Amino acid sequence: EVQLLESGGGLVQPGGSLRLSCAASGFIFSSYAMNWVRQAPGKGLEWVSYISGSGNSTYYADSVKGRFTISRDNSKKTLYLQMNSLRTEDTAVYYCARPGTTGGDWFDPWGQGTLVTVSS
Amino acid sequence: SYELTQPPSVSVSPGQTASITCSGDKLGDKYACWYQHKPGQSPVVVIYQDNRRPSGIPERFSGSNSGNTATLTISGTQAMDEADYYCQAWDSSTAVFGTGTKVTVL
Repeated sequence: EVQLLESGGGLVQPGGSLRLSCAASGFIFSSYAMNWVRQAPGKGLEWVSYISGSGNSTYYADSVKGRFTISRDNSKKTLYLQMNSLRTEDTAVYYCARPGTTGGDWFDPWGQGTLVTVSS
Repeated sequence: SYELTQPPSVSVSPGQTASITCSGDKLGDKYACWYQHKPGQSPVVVIYQDNRRPSGIPERFSGSNSGNTATLTISGTQAMDEADYYCQAWDSSTAVFGTGTKVTVL
C-alpha cells in the first residue's frame, strides 16, 4: 500500500524556521516526482513546491520562492521542506503528494498533513 | 500568473445532478483534474486527465474539459458527496488549484 506520512509541524515564531518531512512507503520513491501542497485555515488548496525524482529539478510557488527549499533523500525514501523566514500567512496544513503515475499530472495519494502555525 | 475560477458554492438535492465549473484561459489545452476534500481528511482525486476516473471512485463522477472550461458532474448526488471540490491544472511548471466549490446536499 502506498503511504505518505508527514511530520515536523508545530508552532514557530515569525521569522523562524521549520523542516517538514514526508516518509514514503509502498512504491519506488526515486521513480516519482513529489510535491508539497498547503491549505491555510478557511482557505483553499495552494501548491507550494515540486521536486523531480532525481532531485535535479525543483519549482516553487512565488509566495515561498527564496524562503522554502524542497529536497529529498531517495535512500531514506523521504521528502523534505525547509521553511525559513516564516510569516504568519504560512500558517497552514502542509501535505505531501505524489503524482498518480510516474509523469502524471495529478496528485494521488496525499499524506495526512502536518499543521504549521506561525505566531508570536 | 495562471488562475482557475470556480463558483464558491453549489447546492443540490439528493439524487439530482450537480455540475461544478472551472474556468481558466485555454484550459482545454491542458489536462484538468478534480479533488474532493472533506473536513479533517486529505484530498482525494475523483477525476484526472479531464475525464478519467480512478479505481474506487463511483461512476456518478464524470468530467469534461473544452475551451476555457472544465466541468465536474456528479449524477445522482448522495449525501456522502457533500464536500469541497477543487480543480487543478499545470501551467509553466506550476500546479494551479481552482478557488474551490463547496457542494451542499440539501
